[in-house]
Order: sequence, then C-alpha cells, then structure tokens
Amino acid sequence: GQQLNQSPQSMFIQEGEDVSMNCTSSSIFNTWLWYKQDPGEGPVLLIALYKAGELTSNGRLTAQFGITRKDSFLNISASIPSDVGIYFCAGKTWAGGTSYGKLTFGQGTILTVHP
Amino acid sequence: DTGVSQDPRHKITKRGQNVTFRCDPISEHNRLYWYRQTLGQGPEFLTYFQNEAQLEKSRLLSDRFSAERPKGSFSTLEIQRTEQGDSAMYLCASSSTGTGTRETQYFGPGTRLLVL
Repeated sequence: GQQLNQSPQSMFIQEGEDVSMNCTSSSIFNTWLWYKQDPGEGPVLLIALYKAGELTSNGRLTAQFGITRKDSFLNISASIPSDVGIYFCAGKTWAGGTSYGKLTFGQGTILTVHP
Repeated sequence: DTGVSQDPRHKITKRGQNVTFRCDPISEHNRLYWYRQTLGQGPEFLTYFQNEAQLEKSRLLSDRFSAERPKGSFSTLEIQRTEQGDSAMYLCASSSTGTGTRETQYFGPGTRLLVL
C-alpha cells in the first residue's frame, strides 16, 4: 500500500542532543500527525497539524506542516532516554468538510538515545 | 475515558484456523478503524466504520477477512483459514467526527497474531 517517505530510517544520538526527522509525500494531505510507538504497543499521538504552515509544540517536541502540504517535520530538543522508540508520521485527506478516514503512514524512524 | 482496548493482546494459531479479535473504542467515538502492521513497517489501513456502517475497505482486506460493528460500539475482526502471511500486529483506532476537520485517531495497544 501507499506509504509516506520518512527519513531517516534510524538515528543513534547522545542524551541531550536535538533530533530532526521528516516526512514527504507525492500527494497533498490536509492533516499531518506524528505518533510514537513503543515495542509491542500501539501508536500514541504526539502532535496533530491541521493547516499548511502551522508550527505546533508539545513540550520538547515541535512539528511543522509544510507549506506545500506535501511534507512535515518533527524536532525533539534535548533528548532524554525515554524518547527511545519508533516515530511515525501519518497523513489524512479531506474535502468539503468531510474527512476521509484512513491514515497513510510513513515507514517510521527508529530513535536510540545513549545516556 | 478509558482509551481504546483490544482483546486478546496476543494470539498464536495454526495455519488454517479461524481467529477473531475484538476492539472497544473510546466511548462516544463514532468512527472505528482497523490497521495491520508488519515488522519494520508503519500501520496499513484495512477498513473503517462510522457507527454501524462500514464505509471503506482496503484491497488488503481479502475475502478471508471480515469486520463487523453491529451496534456501533465494539467491533470484531475475523480472519478465516489463517495463513502465515497474516502474522502481524492488528491495530484498532477510534475517533469522533464531532471535531470536524480536526478528527484525530487514537490507537489501542494492538493484537499480535502469530500463525504457525
């Protein structure tokens, strides 16, 4: 099935470093979401973006909805060991106020934080 | 708000057997989604319901798969004549269309299926 292009595939960083990951698509999305998934668990929503150009923060996390509506990025500042996990971007389309339900996911970025 | 729950969390079965998974959405969420996730990949959409109505099905949902949401609350996903390729994590999510274009999906913990 169609997936978004997410990069990098994996990152190994030292505690305290900043992290940046991004997601691109050949299609326009009207909503971009970022989720984190721990092993054996379901994805947990981190940040939701609903408007092109929107920049939203959630604690040490900042995400932006690209102006072309075909990309998004997520930054994590001052990483800590509990940031370890897999981060997924997801996009959704809607038109005329009607939401088309399904999410299209990226392949994920595996983040490892060394203490 | 108790979150989305799924049962069982793990299932091991032999090829050819039927399995059924259950999902209980966040109360008053009118949409319910099923996704499948294989190792090293992001979740892939299978199907979704708005209340009792199944509104969309992916091509991934072969005729061995059937999903129901009879009363617009919990949902079941059944896989008949399981194959080894069905081994995956099956994720359920729910959302409310009452938020309009800000509809957001919240995921359950998943059911991990292993077909031997």
